[in-house]
Amino acid sequence: SAVISQKPSRDICQRGTSLTIQCQVDSQVTMMFWYRQQPGQSLTLIATANQGSEATYESGFVIDKFPISRPNLTFSTLTVSNMSPEDSSIYLCSLGQMNTEAFFGQGTRLTVV
Amino acid sequence: AQRVTQPEKLLSVFKGAPVELKCNYSYSGSPELFWYVQYSRQRLQLLLRHISRESIKGFTADLNKGETSFHLKKPFAQEEDSAMYYCALKAGGYNKLIFGAGTRLAVHP
Repeated sequence: SAVISQKPSRDICQRGTSLTIQCQVDSQVTMMFWYRQQPGQSLTLIATANQGSEATYESGFVIDKFPISRPNLTFSTLTVSNMSPEDSSIYLCSLGQMNTEAFFGQGTRLTVV
Repeated sequence: AQRVTQPEKLLSVFKGAPVELKCNYSYSGSPELFWYVQYSRQRLQLLLRHISRESIKGFTADLNKGETSFHLKKPFAQEEDSAMYYCALKAGGYNKLIFGAGTRLAVHP
């Protein structure tokens, strides 16, 4: 199974600032996904991060708010921009490979004050 | 529309009692369904997938296409089964998943 390291594990941020979350994998993966889990809610897919091309965003999520980088096949970042208290959530990265299970990072717990 | 529904937010049972966590889905193609579990302070992990038809930790789940359901069952609940359980539908070829709202299972001694 793949090993995923997600940093930071938690952070408390001031509104109006931005936070970049990193996801590092110990092997090359084709797709990486970013999910958000708001308090008491389920996981919602934010975007699919492809290496070498722009991320594909789900309905309700835009690049200006959640810019994503995917510089290589083992690394991706998600930035939460111009944060407000409504952005307080757990953010998770996940791996996508054909015909294998989806692995998840341990998540980043973000609190915006 | 692709959707996963878990109608129960909380399921509370006593140790040794049978457990059934409900999951219904809406998907136009041939569905691939999973159950994920999140124990306290641990990351989300796969419990089982319908194509494997396996039993993990005593849990089983059968895909019923007629009822569009994928309920998770265990005949005798244990305290260590207490966790959040998420039903998920694969919506793409690379494990792009749509999750249900989750059910918290609480097993009491």
